[in-house]
Amino acid sequence: ELKVEQNPLFLSMQEGKNYTIYCNYSTTSDRLYWYRQDPGKSLESLFVLLSNGAVKQEGRLMASLDTKARLSTLHITAAVHDLSATYFCAAHTGTASKLTFGTGTRLQVTL
Amino acid sequence: EPEVTQTPSHQVTQMGQEVILRCVPISNHLYFYWYRQILGQKVEFLVSFYNNEISEKSEIFDDQFSVERPDGSNFTLKIRSTKLEDSAMYFCASSEAGGVHGYTFGSGTRLTVV
Repeated sequence: ELKVEQNPLFLSMQEGKNYTIYCNYSTTSDRLYWYRQDPGKSLESLFVLLSNGAVKQEGRLMASLDTKARLSTLHITAAVHDLSATYFCAAHTGTASKLTFGTGTRLQVTL
Repeated sequence: EPEVTQTPSHQVTQMGQEVILRCVPISNHLYFYWYRQILGQKVEFLVSFYNNEISEKSEIFDDQFSVERPDGSNFTLKIRSTKLEDSAMYFCASSEAGGVHGYTFGSGTRLTVV
């Protein structure tokens, strides 16, 4: 059974700082997704990573995938308050049509 | 940008009652899903639906749950006899090609069982 773990679970960081959220998954997965969720809201798609070595960037966020290490990272550069939210990674397996979500990382960016 | 629409946004029901949660997936999407999120916890897969049948379901999706695509646009989740532990946010999602281009989630229905 595919298990997905994120760390840290909670991250408080100052504006302007850099940090990385880690997402490990337990068995082979062919795709990895990152989502953002604001309190009480839906899941907003951030990145779809389809292959080993994939790197995608949007604004201050950059995501990467290493399928050999079963690891994806979400790097935050020069954080701003608007990035405060919960970030989820989710792994997809080739034989199933479902996503298995990580535990989520609650990011709080302080002024 | 195309959206997945869910109704109602919030439903309160008494324990033992039946509820139907409704979703309108993106029109050219072929794969449909239901997920749930208990308050403060991670998102859990319930069921996937393709070509008018269930393609996979989780252990959570027991006999109390059912899904249906009654017409060309709606996708529904029915809970026959609600329990207190069914209280959660339920998200509908759809994808074009099994998720290769991503999954689009609806805004969710908050179900409260009292």
